[in-house]
Amino acid sequence: DVKVTQSSRYLVKRTGEKVFLECVQDMDHENMFWYRQDPGLGLRLIYFSYDVKMKEKGDIPEGYSVSREKKERFSLILESASTNQTSMYLCASSSLRWYSYNEQFFGPGTRLTVL
Amino acid sequence: SQQGEEDPQALSIQEGENATMNCSYKTSINNLQWYRQNSGRGLVHLILIRSNEREKHSGRLRVTLDTSKKSSSLLITASRAADTASYFCATDRAAGNKLTFGGGTRVLVKP
Repeated sequence: DVKVTQSSRYLVKRTGEKVFLECVQDMDHENMFWYRQDPGLGLRLIYFSYDVKMKEKGDIPEGYSVSREKKERFSLILESASTNQTSMYLCASSSLRWYSYNEQFFGPGTRLTVL
Repeated sequence: SQQGEEDPQALSIQEGENATMNCSYKTSINNLQWYRQNSGRGLVHLILIRSNEREKHSGRLRVTLDTSKKSSSLLITASRAADTASYFCATDRAAGNKLTFGGGTRVLVKP
């Protein structure tokens, strides 16, 4: 059974803290993604990685950075958390193989609250 | 930017009824996918339709795609309380590995 796991389901942090959100997939997928989901705004892509050490900005990268040192792990970093980063964060992965049609597999999400 | 836009934003039906939701998009696509999200959880892939297909079935799901109108519909037949969830369409753009998700349709199936 394919699995994408995220390090925390719920997280509460203070303004200005450095926050790490971890995502691990066990499907040997090349692509990994970080989204944030807010009511009425759907899913918005923060960052995307198509290979180890490779990253690409998504639609809303400001205030975030990412790290992909190993194929199975993709980390999202909030350098200095702010209240407007309170959101649900979703990690996903997908295969580069042509028959996957870019179907994405999602983790359960991390609900981050910044106080 | 939002490529796919779902309509309606919310839908409330009785168990046993059919639920229909629509998705419109703006640019050419390779395929269009539908995902379900149960409350507070991650998204789960439901069905994919390629740009050269017009209709696809999977169990109680029926998806249509009209590339001339840049729109798709998802029909859930004989709905169950367990179908209560948000449904998202996602378009796979002609270039790149990324998907663009719409804002979703919240479906409530009342027992």
